Amino acid sequence: DTAVSQTPKYLVTQMGNDKSIKCEQNLGHDTMYWYKQDSKKFLKIMFSYNNKELIINETVPNRFSPKSPDKAHLNLHINSLELGDSAVYFCASSLRGPNTEAFFGQGTRLTVV
Amino acid sequence: RKEVEQDPGPFNVPEGATVAFNCTYSNSASQSFFWYRQDCRKEPKLLMSVYSSGNEDGRFTAQLNRASQYISLLIRDSKLSDSATYLCVVLKGNNRLAFGKGNQVVVIP
Repeated sequence: DTAVSQTPKYLVTQMGNDKSIKCEQNLGHDTMYWYKQDSKKFLKIMFSYNNKELIINETVPNRFSPKSPDKAHLNLHINSLELGDSAVYFCASSLRGPNTEAFFGQGTRLTVV
Repeated sequence: RKEVEQDPGPFNVPEGATVAFNCTYSNSASQSFFWYRQDCRKEPKLLMSVYSSGNEDGRFTAQLNRASQYISLLIRDSKLSDSATYLCVVLKGNNRLAFGKGNQVVVIP
């Protein structure tokens, strides 16, 4: 059983399009995250939700909108995609906040052309 | 100064040898520290947490030096399967995790 699953694994799309990435965790964790890993390999937090409530919203363009319909799901919608959005996006979850082990999904490799 | 700094390497290590590397962090208020492992084109996975007293898990030893603001990871008796990037992760005072760029380890037969 996959603990944190995100779809799709690969996404190639044109500039200006709108796309969504879905994430689900079956670990019963309270906290979920979206991270971005760019070509320089730095992982940066984008958003964090705790029990469906947004608790961290880093300096991310408002073209990025997370949605958490329930504790087990955290989706990421991106409007008007730009070339600079190309990266690997990781969903993660942890039992109770960032002080507990984070379990990552496989990542979504987004390429904007 | 970057929040978490690591020498990206690569660290080329003969099989069976020992390799060690450090990670420095800028925020003295940081409370929790971790090492994650990331294989090529895969997701990060927790390797070990780093405690004030240091900790050991099999061939892996982690140390924390608060005075100098660095943590270290030592791998003994390196195996080919240890080839990966080791990410230093620090929990900042604002409850956000800061990731280093990683130390790339290549174990050579």
